[in-house]
Amino acid sequence: DSGVTQTPKHLITATGQRVTLRCSPRSGDLSVYWYQQSLDQGLQFLIQYYNGEERAKGNILERFSAQQFPDLHSELNLSSLELGDSALYFCASSAQTGLGTEAFFGQGTRLTVV
Amino acid sequence: AQSVAQPEDQVNVAEGNPLTVKCTYSVSGNPYLFWYVQYPNRGLQFLLKYITGDNLVKGSYGFEAEFNKSQTSFHLKKPSALVSDSALYFCAVRGMNTGFQKLVFGTGTRLLVSP
Repeated sequence: DSGVTQTPKHLITATGQRVTLRCSPRSGDLSVYWYQQSLDQGLQFLIQYYNGEERAKGNILERFSAQQFPDLHSELNLSSLELGDSALYFCASSAQTGLGTEAFFGQGTRLTVV
Repeated sequence: AQSVAQPEDQVNVAEGNPLTVKCTYSVSGNPYLFWYVQYPNRGLQFLLKYITGDNLVKGSYGFEAEFNKSQTSFHLKKPSALVSDSALYFCAVRGMNTGFQKLVFGTGTRLLVSP
């Protein structure tokens, strides 16, 4: 158990809908990362927050947004969902933001858009 | 742009034999290299990392990795494979040109250890 908690584990929704994925980082970790894993794109970095502030942005669509709250949990909001958004979404956390700092991953939320 | 390459989609090895999962990287400046393992329906688990120092890094579950700067490689190794090592393995890198924060992952290598 990495200590990173993601809810829900599974989510099935229809095209056009909006969903929110939640992540609780390991105790004491200030940095949260979101990744998308799909069969054709592999593991893609979406966005990173550190202590409530956005620190880095990757290939995140404009339909997607995220935030990190004062209690350090984070939410990833996906709207106007399309079939291609079906994927495994991972949250990871780390204590620091240094280049040599490993990130610890949650078990992911499997999103299926029908 | 920085990148990580895992040239083998799948590696097959018999239990008890040594295993190697290959990874090459391309970053500006010093690389910070990581290996993760993913079991079915699970998240990624951190195995080991290279920051600086000894080129041979030891990690969890008996795995080790060898950093080779001249070949820009960071291959994952284990002297004696177990059936339970069967999983998906990812190499990842951070460097000065990776956007500083994000880990860039390879496409993954599926390791299959046969009894």
